[in-house]
Amino acid sequence: QSVLTQPPSVSAAPGQKVTISCSGSSSNVGSNPVSWYQHLPGTAPKLLISDNDKRPSGIPDRFSGSKSGTSATLGITGLQTGDEADYYCGTWDRTLTVVIFGGGTKLTVL
Amino acid sequence: QVTLRESGPALVQPTQTLTLTCTFAGFSLSTHGMCVSWIRQPPGKALEWLGFIDWDDDKYYSTSLQTRLTISKDTSKNEVVLRMTNMDPLDTATYYCARTLSMGGIAVDSWGQGTLVTVSS
Repeated sequence: QSVLTQPPSVSAAPGQKVTISCSGSSSNVGSNPVSWYQHLPGTAPKLLISDNDKRPSGIPDRFSGSKSGTSATLGITGLQTGDEADYYCGTWDRTLTVVIFGGGTKLTVL
Repeated sequence: QVTLRESGPALVQPTQTLTLTCTFAGFSLSTHGMCVSWIRQPPGKALEWLGFIDWDDDKYYSTSLQTRLTISKDTSKNEVVLRMTNMDPLDTATYYCARTLSMGGIAVDSWGQGTLVTVSS
C-alpha cells in the first residue's frame, strides 16, 4: 500500500477532460513539490509535471498540475487514445527521507 | 542530450547478489542538485523507488530495502552501481536508473529504458 493514494483507474472519451488525484500527508505532499509521470506500456516513464505545476520542455499544455494542502491533481484535456497509460505522482517524504510514488492510475480513453 | 542505460544480468538465482550498472551521459553527477535513482517495477505492479545517490555522495534508500541495498558512483566513468543482496523471486522486476533533480523538490526527469531481472533457480 502506497503512502500516496491515487485512484486505480479513470476513464473518459476522446476529446474530454480527466483529472487524477494524489493524496498524501503533511510530511510529503503537504511540504514538498509533487511531480507526475506517464508510463506507457513497454516504454520508460516520462516526467510530465514537476514542482506541482511546471511542464518540462516538449510536454503539451493539455497536461497540467496543481496542489492544495496534502493533495495534488493532474489534469489532462483534449484526451487522445495515445494518452492511455499509467500515471504516477511522486514526491519526497521529509519524515521518512525517501522518494515515494503513488500506486498509479490507469487511464482508459474510451 | 541526457541518456542513461542499465546493464547487468537478466537472470539471478535466489539468495544471490544483484549488481546493476547505470552508465549515463549528458550531465555530471558532480553538479549540485544532480542525483541518480534506482527505481523498479514488478510485473503488473506500481513503480517502487529503491534509492538514490547525490552529487555530494550522500545516499538515500527505501526504508523497507535499505539493509539489502548499496548504491555507489564512479564520477570519472559516469557510472552508478546498484547492489542488492539476498535476491528473492519477489524481486523480479524491471529495474530503471534515472536522473533525479533535487532542487527544492524531487523530479525524475530522465529514465533509462530499464532492464528486466528475473529471480529464479
